[in-house]
This record gives sequence, structure tokens and C-alpha cells, in this order.
Amino acid sequence: GESVGLHLPTLSVQEGDNSIINCAYSNSASDYFIWYKQESGKGPQFIIDIRSNMDKRQGQRVTVLLNKTVKHLSLQIAATQPGDSAVYFCAENLWGNTPLVFGKGTRLSVIA
Amino acid sequence: DTEVTQTPKHLVMGMTNKKSLKCEQHMGHRAMYWYKQKAKKPPELMFVYSYEKLSINESVPSRFSPECPNSSLLNLHLHALQPEDSALYLCASSQERSIIGDYGYTFGSGTRLTVV
Repeated sequence: GESVGLHLPTLSVQEGDNSIINCAYSNSASDYFIWYKQESGKGPQFIIDIRSNMDKRQGQRVTVLLNKTVKHLSLQIAATQPGDSAVYFCAENLWGNTPLVFGKGTRLSVIA
Repeated sequence: DTEVTQTPKHLVMGMTNKKSLKCEQHMGHRAMYWYKQKAKKPPELMFVYSYEKLSINESVPSRFSPECPNSSLLNLHLHALQPEDSALYLCASSQERSIIGDYGYTFGSGTRLTVV
């Protein structure tokens, strides 16, 4: 289940189940979105990206869905594994080389 | 080489010290960034360099001084920091966006800074 702590929401899932991590982005003009995975003691690692002219993009075991109407982004991880345990951040960007802006983040905890 | 290398990995400094954080990439990226990340928070942008020129300073206090000696190197000079400046400092680099393709930032592993 999902719980919201003082600062970082946490999602706990059983190994083998599918995970869905949600993100509300802030700028309706943003046209490019990225999901990052950050493991303890490491920098954010690129997972998958999507442009605003798409509503779905699939990678290996991951799918990103974009709903521009409600400014919502989700990351689906199939057959979640212990190695997927990390903090996941969405990030948004606007054409014109403005910097990436990160969302709040969700901690994914995989229960073996 | 597809990495961003940051040194040192850990740094403890006193409030009167002067130290520098270093970042290096050899991917030919022309944009480089400094982010600050506090525990359980997302990275927050500090500075952006584009083609070795400072293009964005997010109202960062002057005790943080960035420098870009060349297209592969980015430094962050620290002086007279406060304990609340303790954080993970992340460097990133990227290509510029183009019609052909979008881009994602490549991040280093960060420097864990503790100010005592």
C-alpha cells in the first residue's frame, strides 16, 4: 500500500507484483518528462522519458503514461524486483533549454 | 565514457574552511549543472553552465561559487558555509535539446557534504 510520511511518500509492493508510481507536474506548458531512479548513496539514474505529443511510452519492464489534461504522469513497473527498491522522481522540462524541475519523489519498497 | 565523475565522494568541512567540489564529463555535453539535495527531498537546481558560460544562478548565496574551466570540468568552490548547507551536491550534464531528439541529464553520484 501507499503511505505519505512527513516528506516522502512510500509505496510498498510484493516482489513480482506490478508497481504504479504517480506524479503531478506543475507547469502545463512543459513538453518533456523524465522518470529517474535514485538508489541510496547514488545520483539519479535515467529510466524513461516521454514527449508531450505522446500519452504512453514503453521500455523494458517500465511504462510511462502522460495525462496532460490533469497534469499527471505515472510510471508502471512490471514484475517488481528487489533491485527496483529506490526513490523515484519525475522531472519536467520546457523547450528552450530550461532546466529540469523535479517532482517530490516516491520511495518504492519491494517486499521479498 | 558515459559517466559524470564527482570528487570527493564525502567531505567534512568547518565553517571557516575553503574547499572545492569537482565534476568531470567526457561525453561532449555542453550544458552542466549543480544541484543540491537534502534528505528525502528532490534535487534543487543551483547553477547552469551552457557552453562554459554561467546561464542560470538560482539566487544561490555567494558562499557558493561555481567555475567552469573548460567544457569537461565544473567546480563548486565553498567558503564560510553554514551547517544547514550540509547536503548531497549533484553534478549533471546534458546535450542541448533538439528537434531530432530529447535528452536526459546524466548525473554523478554526488558529494556528501557535512558542515560542522
